[in-house]
Formats: sequence, structure tokens, C-alpha cells
Amino acid sequence: DTGVSQNPRHKITKRGQNVTFRCDPISEHNRLYWYRQTLGQGPEFLTYFQNEAQLEKSRLLSDRFSAERPKGSFSTLEIQRTEQGDSAMYLCASSPPHTDYGYTFGSGTRLTVV
Amino acid sequence: AQRVTQPEKLLSVFKGAPVELKCNYSYSGSPELFWYVQYSRQRLQLLLRHISRESIKGFTADLNKGETSFHLKKPFAQEEDSAMYYCALKGGGYQKVTFGTGTKLQVIP
Repeated sequence: DTGVSQNPRHKITKRGQNVTFRCDPISEHNRLYWYRQTLGQGPEFLTYFQNEAQLEKSRLLSDRFSAERPKGSFSTLEIQRTEQGDSAMYLCASSPPHTDYGYTFGSGTRLTVV
Repeated sequence: AQRVTQPEKLLSVFKGAPVELKCNYSYSGSPELFWYVQYSRQRLQLLLRHISRESIKGFTADLNKGETSFHLKKPFAQEEDSAMYYCALKGGGYQKVTFGTGTKLQVIP
């Protein structure tokens, strides 16, 4: 286990296309998070899974965004009908089942919408 | 609502000088606070948590509830400390963590 893995590293897409990103968390971590980061900003929370259940969802997550974690292992984040404003770094993180532990982050997927 | 403010975008210090990265938060309950660091071309990683009261790489941070602050300090800066530092807050029984906008620390040799 080499940590949190995200694929692809980079994605360039045309406006209006759909994109899907994948995150593989650390295997012992039952908690998984998606964040978005734009230039000059800190990461912004998108959604949180505990095992396969999506327990928290930000108002930032419009209906064009959907996330799944079907078997409580890897997760996917899909953006439909991409817009230029969706261009950002999408970060995945995971944490073990202890409330005081911080996150382990992946390297992120950089999305550019042209 | 929870908010984290890092007032400095950039902090430049000379090697060997003390460092203080400021973090103020807004939250009505009892928060959990963290500092994360991102070195050049590396992923974001946890530096320290207030709940563990630990010192990592010579850095410490004390939660001051009266001033709603969680400043990060190091007595003598080293060149390898140059990085982006983010203060973060979790609270209210939720798992969502709110990050500040970050401070870039530049240690001048």
C-alpha cells in the first residue's frame, strides 16, 4: 500500500464533456473525502464517505457532480457537462476510523476545461 | 459556520530566525485544529494536530480559545521548512474540514 492513489493525474477536456476521476484510499481507512482546490485557495470540501455511505455533501457540489464508493473501497467522482469554472485540482483523502486523526491526501487530479 | 483565516499569503524569514504562521478561526463549539504542509512538488500532508500537543520538525502550535487562534511556531527556521502551510478546522461532529487559504513560508539562506 503506497498511500492514497488518484487517477488520472491530469485531465484536459472540452466544455460540455463528462469526466470521471478515481481515488484508491489506504486500505485500512474507512473514511474517504473529496476536496477541490483552485489557485490561491485552500482545499474546499466536496463530500465524505464512511465505508460505502455518502454521509456529507457540500452545497458546492451541484447536481452535475456525483460521487460513489460502491464497495467501500475506491471512489469515483464524476462531473457531467463540464464548465470552465470546474477547472481545479481535485483532491482525495482518507482517514482511519478515529476522529482525531488527520487526513492522508492523494496527489490530486488536475482538471482543465477548455 | 466555520471559518479559518490565514492573514499572510507570504512570509519570508532568514534561516535561523523565529517563525510564526498565524491562524485564526471562527467556530462556536470546540474545534479540532490541524496544520497541513505542502512541500514543492509533494502532496499535502498533516504536520500536526492540536489534540496531540506534539512537536513535529520543531514546529508547535497552541490552541488559544480566548483569541480563537492556532498559530504555528518554530524557534529557528531552516531552509527545508520552505513550503505552503494550511491551517484547518474540524468541528460539530462532522467530518468536513475547513482549510484556510494558506501561507507560503520562504526561508532565505
